[in-house]
Amino acid sequence: GQQLNQSPQSMFIQEGEDVSMNCTSSSIFNTWLWYKQDPGEGPVLLIALYKAGELTSNGRLTAQFGITRKDSFLNISASIPSDVGIYFCAGQGIQGAQKLVFGQGTRLTINP
Amino acid sequence: DAMVIQNPRYQVTQFGKPVTLSCSQTLNHNVMYWYQQKSSQAPKLLFHYYDKDFNNEADTPDNFQSRRPNTSFCFLDIRSPGLGDAAMYLCATSLEGHTEAFFGQGTRLTVV
Repeated sequence: GQQLNQSPQSMFIQEGEDVSMNCTSSSIFNTWLWYKQDPGEGPVLLIALYKAGELTSNGRLTAQFGITRKDSFLNISASIPSDVGIYFCAGQGIQGAQKLVFGQGTRLTINP
Repeated sequence: DAMVIQNPRYQVTQFGKPVTLSCSQTLNHNVMYWYQQKSSQAPKLLFHYYDKDFNNEADTPDNFQSRRPNTSFCFLDIRSPGLGDAAMYLCATSLEGHTEAFFGQGTRLTVV
């Protein structure tokens, strides 16, 4: 089946730094989603991307749908302590089934 | 206000004792999903419903069953929980034709 490779697996940064993470796949995706999950909670949708090349922002977050439709990145600018958590990319494949494939997650830790 | 509600948030069950987790939604979405998430891993899809049509993932053990009596409610039944079934169970909903899935807060299942 389709797989997503998300990197890095973990990040340790200082408060105020910018963050970048990405997901890649060997197959094409129709939609890319980025979620954030806090400990003991369900994932919360941050950004949804629908078209190749699309660049979308949500506050300090920016995400892009790669031109090849096989990758996506998420940037967080000027990180703050509440950005701590696990970030997951998720994609819907071209088969059309209404199911999401998840990346392995990026755990973000911020040193104040 | 929470739109996908899972009860209970924490469930402790005995090895081999049937347990039911519940999910309700106020979004009137026709697609509902159950995911299993183990520590530091991505959510893993167990099954999903399109309205009343049940779609099981090929690798979901028979020990896991689901019921959807109406649009708003969906249940996950674990017939004989084993120690390996201890995990966070996430319910999610989406609207047919739309990829974005909205998650509940999850139920943390402990098997003793």
